[in-house]
Amino acid sequence: AQKVTQAQTEISVVEKEDVTLDCVYETRDTTYYLFWYKQPPSGELVFLIRRNSFDEQNEISGRYSWNFQKSTSSFNFTITASQVVDSAVYFCALSSTGFQKLVFGTGTRLLVSP
Amino acid sequence: NAGVMQNPRHLVRRRGQEARLRCSPMKGHSHVYWYRQLPEEGLKFMVYLQKENIIDESGMPKERFSAEFPKEGPSILRIQQVVRGDSAAYFCASSKGVSRVGAYEQYFGPGTRLTVT
Repeated sequence: AQKVTQAQTEISVVEKEDVTLDCVYETRDTTYYLFWYKQPPSGELVFLIRRNSFDEQNEISGRYSWNFQKSTSSFNFTITASQVVDSAVYFCALSSTGFQKLVFGTGTRLLVSP
Repeated sequence: NAGVMQNPRHLVRRRGQEARLRCSPMKGHSHVYWYRQLPEEGLKFMVYLQKENIIDESGMPKERFSAEFPKEGPSILRIQQVVRGDSAAYFCASSKGVSRVGAYEQYFGPGTRLTVT
């Protein structure tokens, strides 16, 4: 069975602070994909990143960075110098090769105050 | 480029009525997925379709729910005889499918918020 755990239900930070959102996954498959999506207050889901299980290189995109560690089954997401516009619910998701469906975590609500 | 389109954005139905949710995938995408998000919860997979075929419906409730993706036109998620517990946000996603190296990312529509009164 596949499972994604986002233990942090809600995080509150002040603008310009760095914040890390945790994601731990479970799968028996050797090939799988991990994703992060952002859901702002308007409700839509915005794709942020896809990472496959063979690529453990960390990735940086502007203020966003992702740390994938197979040894701990984690795919954490860090926002550097947070901004009010980063306030949203962030979802981590998993899918296995051959299975198109995404298994989502329960999400982490990030509140960035000015 | 237009993204994934869903309509209506908001739908109110009384108990016992039917709800029809529509989804038009992104241009060039032939794979459609439906997910349901209950209040304060994550998204749960419902069904995966390609044109004229249901590939995986393991997340669909056994009764009252059905989905289709005809050769022409949008994908439709149909809920018959709605009950209050069906109130949720229903998201459609589309992708190019599967490449030789694995799954393409799924892009989501804005969702349809269904309220059953």
